[in-house]
Amino acid sequence: DQQVKQNSPSLSVQEGRISILNCDYTNSMFDYFLWYKKYPAEGPTFLISISSIKDKNEDGRFTVFLNKSAKHLSLHIVPSQPGDSAVYFCLFQGAQKLVFGQGTRLTINP
Amino acid sequence: GAVVSQHPSRVICKSGTSVKIECRSLDFQATTMFWYRQFPKQSLMLMATSNEGSKATYEQGVEKDKFLINHASLTLSTLTVTSAHPEDSSFYICSARVWNTEAFFGQGTRLTVV
Repeated sequence: DQQVKQNSPSLSVQEGRISILNCDYTNSMFDYFLWYKKYPAEGPTFLISISSIKDKNEDGRFTVFLNKSAKHLSLHIVPSQPGDSAVYFCLFQGAQKLVFGQGTRLTINP
Repeated sequence: GAVVSQHPSRVICKSGTSVKIECRSLDFQATTMFWYRQFPKQSLMLMATSNEGSKATYEQGVEKDKFLINHASLTLSTLTVTSAHPEDSSFYICSARVWNTEAFFGQGTRLTVV
């Protein structure tokens, strides 16, 4: 039962351009949606979040969009920087549960 | 931001022995703690959810007798891998949360069973 799908295992973007990462979900009980960044052998680092009552949240270069009708979550990074290269996970929160997406390895090319 | 400390960061143990991993919320009281496991090149898989003072809720396929979780206080949860085997070698990460806020993650523990 895969409640969350992060369909792109990898993404390569030119420095300065926009990076768009996506997640789809099936469980309507999720009420809080988060994005994390992870480097190898480290714990995930929080980037940005959005609650189910909103459809957009912005923090500097990061913007998260939530489309509840399509059950789709996305993260936009603009402009992309080399330091953004990492694995990005979406995290879905419901009652007593946190579910991660499969991760997308983002590579920013100079 | 809030800090979650996980200890140890790396541990090597012999097959058949038990290993305890600690997860502490340093500057907040965590109502809920989560334990994850990550295999190489794979996503973080939720193992169990624990609330202070109550038994952990394990995900399907996770052996509760093998992965003992204790959440004795609002700032400490422990994961004990009992009778460890080489296939238990993995990266274990804890997470702590206060009600419906963002989750904060520990640094992770690399377990190697030889």
